[in-house]
Amino acid sequence: DAGVTQSPTHLIKTRGQQVTLRCSPKSGHDTVSWYQQALGQGPQFIFQYYEEEERQRGNFPDRFSGHQFPNYSSELNVNALLLGDSALYLCASSPTDRGEAFFGQGTRLTVV
Amino acid sequence: KQEVTQIPAALSVPEGENLVLNCSFTDSAIYNLQWFRQDPGKGLTSLLLIQSSQREQTSGRLNASLDKSSGRSTLYIAASQPGDSATYLCAVYPNSGYSTLTFGKGTMLLVSP
Repeated sequence: DAGVTQSPTHLIKTRGQQVTLRCSPKSGHDTVSWYQQALGQGPQFIFQYYEEEERQRGNFPDRFSGHQFPNYSSELNVNALLLGDSALYLCASSPTDRGEAFFGQGTRLTVV
Repeated sequence: KQEVTQIPAALSVPEGENLVLNCSFTDSAIYNLQWFRQDPGKGLTSLLLIQSSQREQTSGRLNASLDKSSGRSTLYIAASQPGDSATYLCAVYPNSGYSTLTFGKGTMLLVSP
């Protein structure tokens, strides 16, 4: 079992650009959540996808959007990048019904 | 809104010491609580998951307890080693049934040889 995999591992973008991050969930998991972790902070919940729909959303602007595919993999899109979007972006997958969340190794996004 | 606080923010100990990391949460209506380890610039490694019906979990030199009524959890590390140096994060699962975690800011642990 490959666990949760994220790509790319590192990314550098210019302010104002758009970025797409990808996540493949652990085998058997159908729910994917995304988190943003700024330096020195705990991860903050962005949103969760289940059955290809956004099921729950944290306190993030509409510049942050996502998608879930029929194979349960997911993308996180961020438009109009700001310097403050520089962070480690973590993907977590879980089975339905209160299952334990498993995290990927993250994508380090740097906005310059 | 659930808030999770971890104390202390940083801790430096000599090798071999036993230590306790604390986690508190404002809304006691949680389902699970999980402790993670994070090495610099890396993702999260799950250490212990305490499910709703449990009060503690043990794995090797680690023991975590949960008291939902008081909104507290502790992570006990026995006989600390330099390899334990990392940031330790506490996270709670809501009663909603969705695995959307609320994290504390973590405790940065340094164990010196």
